[in-house]
Amino acid sequence: KNEVEQSPQNLTAQEGEFITINCSYSVGISALHWLQQHPGGGIVSLFMLSSGKKKHGRLIATINIQEKHSSLHITASHPRDSAVYICALSGTYKYIFGTGTRLKVLA
Amino acid sequence: DGGITQSPKYLFRKEGQNVTLSCEQNLNHDAMYWYRQDPGQGLRLIYYSQIVNDFQKGDIAEGYSVSREKKESFPLTVTSAQKNPTAFYLCASSTGVLETQYFGPGTRLLVL
Repeated sequence: KNEVEQSPQNLTAQEGEFITINCSYSVGISALHWLQQHPGGGIVSLFMLSSGKKKHGRLIATINIQEKHSSLHITASHPRDSAVYICALSGTYKYIFGTGTRLKVLA
Repeated sequence: DGGITQSPKYLFRKEGQNVTLSCEQNLNHDAMYWYRQDPGQGLRLIYYSQIVNDFQKGDIAEGYSVSREKKESFPLTVTSAQKNPTAFYLCASSTGVLETQYFGPGTRLLVL
């Protein structure tokens, strides 16, 4: 069983829709990270969470430590949000990465 | 501008050839990392370094080598012992091993 699982693997949405991407994990962590990978390949760190909720612009990330679950929400989605969103765990010397959710937002 | 750079963007390797991927950061970060990304898989750690002149193997170090002679530089050599080197390689850095990692733009390695 993978230590971190993301769902869905692929997601297509219409512009303006509210989007939720989920991440479940099975190990102890010090923090959970949400990353965004654009088609060119570069990765940007969106959030680092150890508890509760964080918001940045149209992006909201939540984590429930007891349930070992995190969600990334995108409000009023836009075609420029099209990317792969990756959940990563940190707890030792390294990150443990999910396989990513590929999001496509249609105009 | 502070950041992390990788070069080249694309690299071609012939059979039996060693190639070196460059990674430079001017963020004054102590920790640096090399990852490999294959389609449909999560990023996998090749090597990491917590401090200058020290580095550790990650999960898939076989066929790769690194050096950390300067704080800002962490080059990765893909040796001929790596039998399946075609992949996207990402370098990252952070202030410490549990802190947010900042990623470079990546190098795509292809075997001719």
